[in-house]
Amino acid sequence: DADVTQTPRNRITKTGKRIMLECSQTKGHDRMYWYRQDPGLGLRLIYYSFDVKDINKGEISDGYSVSRQAQAKFSLSLESAIPNQTALYFCATSTGNTGELFFGEGSRLTVL
Amino acid sequence: DAKTTQPPSMDCAEGRAANLPCNHSTISGNEYVYWYRQIHSQGPQYIIHGLKNNETNEMASLIITEDRKSSTLILPHATLRDTAVYYCIVRRNYGQNFVFGPGTRLSVLP
Repeated sequence: DADVTQTPRNRITKTGKRIMLECSQTKGHDRMYWYRQDPGLGLRLIYYSFDVKDINKGEISDGYSVSRQAQAKFSLSLESAIPNQTALYFCATSTGNTGELFFGEGSRLTVL
Repeated sequence: DAKTTQPPSMDCAEGRAANLPCNHSTISGNEYVYWYRQIHSQGPQYIIHGLKNNETNEMASLIITEDRKSSTLILPHATLRDTAVYYCIVRRNYGQNFVFGPGTRLSVLP
């Protein structure tokens, strides 16, 4: 089983719908992140959390919200999806030591 | 955050060494150089990181210049499975976030 699991892996939805992407990890890491990747581009940080009571905005947080329900779970929500949120979304975890990131397999979201 | 500059693409023959350059001329003394790679649309994978000394692990070697303004990731014997986008990132440890640029698309050719 993957250490960082994202669900769903693929989702097609319509403009205006609410979408939640979920991430769970079994690595015991305290830090969790959500990134977005558009075709041909690098990853951009949406939100990150250093522990259960900590939520921080990344460089592109507008239109997104997150919830850190437990140390192992970090969810990303799109309250009202729009087509330019069509992208590949990655969850990642890290410890506070080396800080090496461990990524999930990605969630491909298409907003029509 | 220090910025990095990488060539957008490179080719390498299978079995030969792949040398991927990265410029980070504004790096601070307490910032590390990290390398990740992303195969197709999978999640990026950590390769190696270093501060000022050269580093080697089972995947690659990292050569950092003495002035730390540039570095080279070396894959000693590239295989077709090394075809990926390679990201060079500089960051402090303990709390600074990773910033992923567009990276270098390495194509290993048979």
